[in-house]
Amino acid sequence: DQQVKQNSPSLSVQEGRISILNCDYTNSMFDYFLWYKKYPAEGPTFLISISSIKDKNEDGRFTVFLNKSAKHLSLHIVPSQPGDSAVYFCAASPISSGSARQLTFGSGTQLTVLP
Amino acid sequence: NAGVTQTPKFQVLKTGQSMTLQCAQDMNHEYMSWYRQDPGMGLRLIHYSVGAGITDQGEVPNGYNVSRSTTEDFPLRLLSAAPSQTSVYFCASASTGGFGELFFGEGSRLTVL
Repeated sequence: DQQVKQNSPSLSVQEGRISILNCDYTNSMFDYFLWYKKYPAEGPTFLISISSIKDKNEDGRFTVFLNKSAKHLSLHIVPSQPGDSAVYFCAASPISSGSARQLTFGSGTQLTVLP
Repeated sequence: NAGVTQTPKFQVLKTGQSMTLQCAQDMNHEYMSWYRQDPGMGLRLIHYSVGAGITDQGEVPNGYNVSRSTTEDFPLRLLSAAPSQTSVYFCASASTGGFGELFFGEGSRLTVL
């Protein structure tokens, strides 16, 4: 029973267009959400996060949106660049329970940005 | 900057053999953890530690042991390897002030025959 789901294993977009990666969660205790990016043969690296008290957080080309009622978050990348091609993992944490660093990860989405 | 260093990067074991995956960090992070990554399942937490001498179980702890004798090191031990433990293992660390912004090592790919 996956508590964090990324239903799209892969996504291809043209360079310069918007990439939208989606993530759903089922555990109501989750109140902090993160996105990680992973290149082949490397460990995941932190990209952006959002607290449940917000519905949007921006960092340059990356924006994360949170819809608490739908238990859904999305990562928007605008404009997409070939260097963004990687696996993106959604993760969630129940920080209010004191478990801020015990992340539950989704299965990942392979993003390919075509030149 | 070394960050989180894992050794070995690749290892092949036979069923029943034991081994230790090493993890060291040089960022003075109190929190360290081990994850395994399997196809279609993302990363799953095996064990974690909030400081030297303190460890606890994550989502999939069976078949693995850990210890934390120093702040820097957090080894993961497989006492009797099984084919189901074939996976890529990631060690991660975080500061006490963070909220899940983990720093990951490059991973250790383990194959159990």
